[in-house]
This record gives sequence, structure tokens and C-alpha cells, in this order.
Amino acid sequence: DAGVIQSPRHEVTEMGQEVTLRCKPISGHNSLFWYRQTMMRGLELLIYFNNNVPIDDSGMPEDRFSAKMPNASFSTLKIQPSEPRDSAVYFCASSLNPGYGYTFGSGTRLTVV
Amino acid sequence: AQSVAQPEDQVNVAEGNPLTVKCTYSVSGNPYLFWYVQYPNRGLQFLLKYITGDNLVKGSYGFEAEFNKSQTSFHLKKPSALVSDSALYFCAVRLGNNAGNMLTFGGGTRLMVKP
Repeated sequence: DAGVIQSPRHEVTEMGQEVTLRCKPISGHNSLFWYRQTMMRGLELLIYFNNNVPIDDSGMPEDRFSAKMPNASFSTLKIQPSEPRDSAVYFCASSLNPGYGYTFGSGTRLTVV
Repeated sequence: AQSVAQPEDQVNVAEGNPLTVKCTYSVSGNPYLFWYVQYPNRGLQFLLKYITGDNLVKGSYGFEAEFNKSQTSFHLKKPSALVSDSALYFCAVRLGNNAGNMLTFGGGTRLMVKP
């Protein structure tokens, strides 16, 4: 198994541009999570999907952020318009069941200039 | 309130000495407890977990953790630290049966192992 796959690994964009981060969970996993990590705020849960349905999006910082999971093998996190304070590492993780825990992707390092 | 806490932002230890990274939790019901490690510029990697059974759990890279129900703790330990163990460590817990597959993470503890 290739694990959780995130793309791109690095993204540099200008303020105001739209950014789309992508995640492919492990096949068969039924839960998907998007996290953001910064030095100041640590690891923050942004949104949680179960069986492709958003369960908890209370961590999405504002309306500029949106996430979709059109099928069991793909999810996107979109920021429009992007701002410098969105600069962070964004992680995707998937899970099979409560006792399994998470498998994390390698992350996308986003820099907004 | 249900929660997980890592009371130390950083732990410093000399190579060859034993190390402990602390984690405490507050959960109703039986907790599912996990430890993850994050090396620089990498994602979080699973180290070990406690779901049920023996209170002493052994995991990757020689790490172990002990589930202590009376003290509501799940401290991570290693008998002899290596410089290569220097990383960021996260404790995570499933906060009750209604949490589904979701884990709540502690704030992380940076482990620095000095030669």
C-alpha cells in the first residue's frame, strides 16, 4: 500500500490566489481528516469526513477554506483567496476504525507570499 | 471535560539515558491511546497504541508506554535514548465511544537527545 498520498508537496503562491491541496486516502479507509500545523498554533483539526460526508468542520478557520470528498479515494482542501497567514503545513490522514488510529500523509507545505 | 495533555513542551535527555515523555488524559469510558512521532519535515508516524490488554505496550524503535488507569496516564518511555530519537512526539486519545474514528491530539513534546 502506498499510504496516504498528498499533493503537491510544496506550494508557493501569491496572496489572493486560489490554492487546492489534494489527498488520496488508503483504500478501504472510511474516515479522512485534514490538519494544519504551524509553530504558533501546533496541530489543528480542520475537518473530518466519515464515509465521504463531512462530520465536523468546526475547525475550518473561515469561509475562505472549503473541503470536499467526492468519493472514497479523493479529497481536496481549497483556500480562496489565500493569505500569508495561511502559510503552514497541511496534513491529510485516514483511518479504518477506532482501534486503528491514523495514517498520515507526508503533508503539503504551503507558503503564501 | 474530556481532554488529553502533554505537560512538557520539551524534554532534554543525554544519549544513553532513559527517557520519559508524559501524557495524561480525561475520558469517559475506556480510552484508546496512541503515540505518534514526527521527524523534521515529515508527517506523523505511528509508534504504538493501547486499546485493551496488557498495560505495558511495546512499539517501534524500542519505545514502550504504560497505561495507568488510576493516574489516567500513558507515558512514553525508552530505556536508552539515541540522538536519532530527537523529534516531536504526540499523544492522542479517542475521546469516548461517540468520537467515531476521530482522535484528539496533545500539544506535542519536543524531545532533544544530546550526545
